[in-house]
Amino acid sequence: DAKTTQPTSMDCAEGRAANLPCNHSTISGNEYVYWYRQIHSQGPQYIIHGLKNNETNEMASLIITEDRKSSTLILPHATLRDTAVYYCIACLRNTGKLIFGQGTTLQVKP
Amino acid sequence: DTEVTQTPKHLVMGMTNKKSLKCEQHMGHRAMYWYKQKAKKPPELMFVYSYEKLSINESVPSRFSPECPNSSLLNLHLHALQPEDSALYLCASSQVDLITYNEQFFGPGTRLTVL
Repeated sequence: DAKTTQPTSMDCAEGRAANLPCNHSTISGNEYVYWYRQIHSQGPQYIIHGLKNNETNEMASLIITEDRKSSTLILPHATLRDTAVYYCIACLRNTGKLIFGQGTTLQVKP
Repeated sequence: DTEVTQTPKHLVMGMTNKKSLKCEQHMGHRAMYWYKQKAKKPPELMFVYSYEKLSINESVPSRFSPECPNSSLLNLHLHALQPEDSALYLCASSQVDLITYNEQFFGPGTRLTVL
């Protein structure tokens, strides 16, 4: 699995977009980028994933650079309930092995 | 029902005790997982079961013994644990599908304290 690097922490104002970066410069061509988050005292929750193209779902958008060496998770209108640790994972699809890095602690402030 | 349930929520045990953690899901998922999460650290994969058979063991010490008695249930049997085994133990489940992404659904975890 490719190593990912994320900032340790970020703040975001409520109602604004939260942009969480992830570096995965050693990602291989068939490895996907996955994002999970873990709200305090809960288990992790899947957010979104992508290979090459940008992806959007009801929770977030994922922007992957053309060289695939980095990506950004966008929460378009952050709420206080989005305060969590966000994990970026780069790995092969459906291996069953999720290797979590240190993640980014996002604090959404009123 | 899109929930993974884990019991108990909290468990305190001595180093000579034997106890079990239980995980249940009724989503028809055929893969189930155990993770260990120490305080302020990310989850670490321990075991993966696929179709009730152990498919991945991440070199976990034998004092942790997983069991998957049926497709809905996953147990983790604990024996002769050490204080450093104190952690949040998370269970997850997913489909086994070659076409779509098999996102993992996590339970809330069992917080284990070993005295």
